[in-house]
Amino acid sequence: DTAVSQTPKYLVTQMGNDKSIKCEQNLGHDTMYWYKQDSKKFLKIMFSYNNKELIINETVPNRFSPKSPDKAHLNLHINSLELGDSAVYFCASSQSTEMDIQYFGAGTRLSVL
Amino acid sequence: AQSVTQPDIHITVSEGASLELRCNYSYGATPYLFWYVQSPGQGLQLLLKYFSGDTLVQGIKGFEAEFKRSQSSFNLRKPSVHWSDAAEYFCAVGDHGGATNKLIFGTGTLLAVQP
Repeated sequence: DTAVSQTPKYLVTQMGNDKSIKCEQNLGHDTMYWYKQDSKKFLKIMFSYNNKELIINETVPNRFSPKSPDKAHLNLHINSLELGDSAVYFCASSQSTEMDIQYFGAGTRLSVL
Repeated sequence: AQSVTQPDIHITVSEGASLELRCNYSYGATPYLFWYVQSPGQGLQLLLKYFSGDTLVQGIKGFEAEFKRSQSSFNLRKPSVHWSDAAEYFCAVGDHGGATNKLIFGTGTLLAVQP
């Protein structure tokens, strides 16, 4: 049973479209994250939510809007997709905002054409 | 600013040989350190972590890492590499400021294993 699951695994779309990526964790964790991995494999945090509340927003363009309907889910909606948004997006979760292990999903590879 | 440096972009070792992947960090407070592995097309899997205590930590798959505060390093080692160890390895420091925490990653080291 997958601990952190993301859908879809692959997403190919045209510039200007709007798309969403979904993430769910069944670990009972309070804190969830979105990371972006660029074409050079560099990983950088985008957002973090704790109990549905936004706690980290790392100067991400406001075309990116995370939403957490409950603490087990953190979705990422992207408006007006640009070529530079092409990347692998990873969802992760941890027990709380205290320093602890973060468990990662398998990633969503987004390709903007 | 907090940062992690992995000096080796790409390393090739022979199967059965020993391995050391380098990681240096810059962090003002007590560091929380991690090594993750990413196999092709997969997510990140935690190999090991250091929070406090014994500076030599053991992880999964026969990996270990040693925290050296004087050198700001947290190098990953394995005595005998298996072909299945071929993957991308990421060192990370946990940035725990206030009510938040996040991982700051290095740029990764790609490990190739020769038969």
